[in-house]
Amino acid sequence: RKEVEQDPGPFNVPEGATVAFNCTYSNSASQSFFWYRQDCRKEPKLLMSVYSSGNEDGRFTAQLNRASQYISLLIRDSKLSDSATYLCVVNKERFYFGSGTKLNVKP
Amino acid sequence: GAGVSQSPSNKVTEKGKDVELRCDPISGHTALYWYRQSLGQGLEFLIYFQGNSAPDKSGLPSDRFSAERTGGSVSTLTIQRTQQEDSAVYLCASSLDKNQPQHFGDGTRLSIL
Repeated sequence: RKEVEQDPGPFNVPEGATVAFNCTYSNSASQSFFWYRQDCRKEPKLLMSVYSSGNEDGRFTAQLNRASQYISLLIRDSKLSDSATYLCVVNKERFYFGSGTKLNVKP
Repeated sequence: GAGVSQSPSNKVTEKGKDVELRCDPISGHTALYWYRQSLGQGLEFLIYFQGNSAPDKSGLPSDRFSAERTGGSVSTLTIQRTQQEDSAVYLCASSLDKNQPQHFGDGTRLSIL
């Protein structure tokens, strides 16, 4: 079983839409959680850390549910520039990356 | 700049040759990771260095792959007797410590002919 599971998508949404991604992780002792963004043929870049209390950064909201072992990312008012692959990352002694969820925002 | 630096950016070599890839982490970062990513695929963990601890080599796909980190800073990933299936982008990342988020270099695009 993979440490981190994500729906690969693609999620095809119109500009202005709200879209949500989830990922699940297998190790209940995982300690820290992140969302990364990867553009085509580029390196992954940190989007935001994820906390149990939930955290928001502009149009992006991340949430952690430790009891159910899942992490979510909500993007409001989608922009064309949000088109990318979103990677869910879990840390327990080392980092574990999900395979990513592809988002296409259409005009 | 102050980011993770990888060299070379691109490497084309013949099957059977050895290659060395270099990573300069962000100054002061104690953790360093190597990953491999084939086109359209997710990140494949290769090896992890944390401070002076023994590296986690559990992701190395074969004994043709090795890595070292000298003086807790620069790291080199060596692939011996390269095969065509080794063609991929090799990414290096570093973090302040094992719990802090990683910062990636631009990667080395390796092509084996």
